[in-house]
Amino acid sequence: DQQVKQNSPSLSVQEGRISILNCDYTNSMFDYFLWYKKYPAEGPTFLISISSIKDKNEDGRFTVFLNKSAKHLSLHIVPSQPGDSAVYFCAASTRMYSGGGADGLTFGKGTHLIIQP
Amino acid sequence: DAGITQSPRYKITETGRQVTLMCHQTWSHSYMFWYRQDLGHGLRLIYYSAAADITDKGEVPDGYVVSRSKTENFPLTLESATRSQTSVYFCASSRAGVSKNIQYFGAGTRLSVL
Repeated sequence: DQQVKQNSPSLSVQEGRISILNCDYTNSMFDYFLWYKKYPAEGPTFLISISSIKDKNEDGRFTVFLNKSAKHLSLHIVPSQPGDSAVYFCAASTRMYSGGGADGLTFGKGTHLIIQP
Repeated sequence: DAGITQSPRYKITETGRQVTLMCHQTWSHSYMFWYRQDLGHGLRLIYYSAAADITDKGEVPDGYVVSRSKTENFPLTLESATRSQTSVYFCASSRAGVSKNIQYFGAGTRLSVL
């Protein structure tokens, strides 16, 4: 059963507008969430993260919102630029506050963001 | 700053053959991970390691073997490759401490098993 879901396989947005990518999760033990960006033939690149004790984290054009009660997070990109065209993965971990070392991240299937000129 | 490198970038092999994918990181990160990416599945964890000589299974470990004799290297071996192991393999690493959950990925190895 998928614990991290990205229900939109693709999203098309006009350059300069806001891009909103969504992610839902089912495991209430997740306490840390990350967004990765991936270009073809490259590895995923860390973009931004948020811990479960916060509801918003901002870094330049990128903002991640977390709604714990709805088990939902979103990534906002404002303004969208052509270089933002990529696949975006939502990922989650259970190990931020539960103690112990790191273990693997649980990833969604990704959303392909296309920025149109 | 070399970061994390994977080799080879592309590999074609036949069913039943043994193949080893290499991963090397220059950051002295404690943690290292192997994922596979398949259409319709996102990235799935195969194995991970908290330190040299400490490894643990992930979500899809069957058919794979790992070792970590040195902190900087984390090779992944397919002992007898099967067609279902055709995939793109990503190695990642993370440092210990507060940032342990932020993983940094290599460029990947595309493996085809014929």
